[in-house]
Amino acid sequence: DTGVSQNPRHKITKRGQNVTFRCDPISEHNRLYWYRQTLGQGPEFLTYFQNEAQLEKSRLLSDRFSAERPKGSFSTLEIQRTEQGDSAMYLCASSSPRERAYEQYFGPGTRLTVT
Amino acid sequence: AQKVTQAQTEISVVEKEDVTLDCVYETRDTTYYLFWYKQPPSGELVFLIRRNSFDEQNEISGRYSWNFQKSTSSFNFTITASQVVDSAVYFCALRDNAGNMLTFGGGTRLMVKP
Repeated sequence: DTGVSQNPRHKITKRGQNVTFRCDPISEHNRLYWYRQTLGQGPEFLTYFQNEAQLEKSRLLSDRFSAERPKGSFSTLEIQRTEQGDSAMYLCASSSPRERAYEQYFGPGTRLTVT
Repeated sequence: AQKVTQAQTEISVVEKEDVTLDCVYETRDTTYYLFWYKQPPSGELVFLIRRNSFDEQNEISGRYSWNFQKSTSSFNFTITASQVVDSAVYFCALRDNAGNMLTFGGGTRLMVKP
């Protein structure tokens, strides 16, 4: 079991550009979550998938953000027309119904810097 | 709505001291789960412990212990004989029974000095 992986680990982009992040969950984990963590704060929930279905979205997920999980395996999070306020760590987690209490395992995160 | 409060934003101790990190939560659910995560400088969130709302038994794991008190909606974390490697940001989190989102507190930065 290789754990949750995220790519890239760091991304620097200019304001107005689009960026896309990828998350590969632990194999056979059917739930996948995205969180955002700004400096000095706790992670905040963005959205989650059960298999390929996006079941819940936070109001933090503005229309510039879109997440997909087309085949129920890896997921992508795209931010269009980035703003400086989008600078944050984007964390992905996965869980399985076979794990007690749907315990969420986190990846190393993608740190986005918008200049 | 769920809420988690970690009133201590930063704690500094000297190695070998005991330290307690406070966590207070709010929820209307009768069934819920509480978690502690450690976030070292590398950034990855490391799971430490999970408790469900029906299990108020305190737990000890090596130098770590947790005190869950439903009456005061608190889930405090104590590190005994702290070590420099314990330096990190610690997050308390709350999750409902449906298994969806985690609600995190603001975190407590623990600095253990040699």
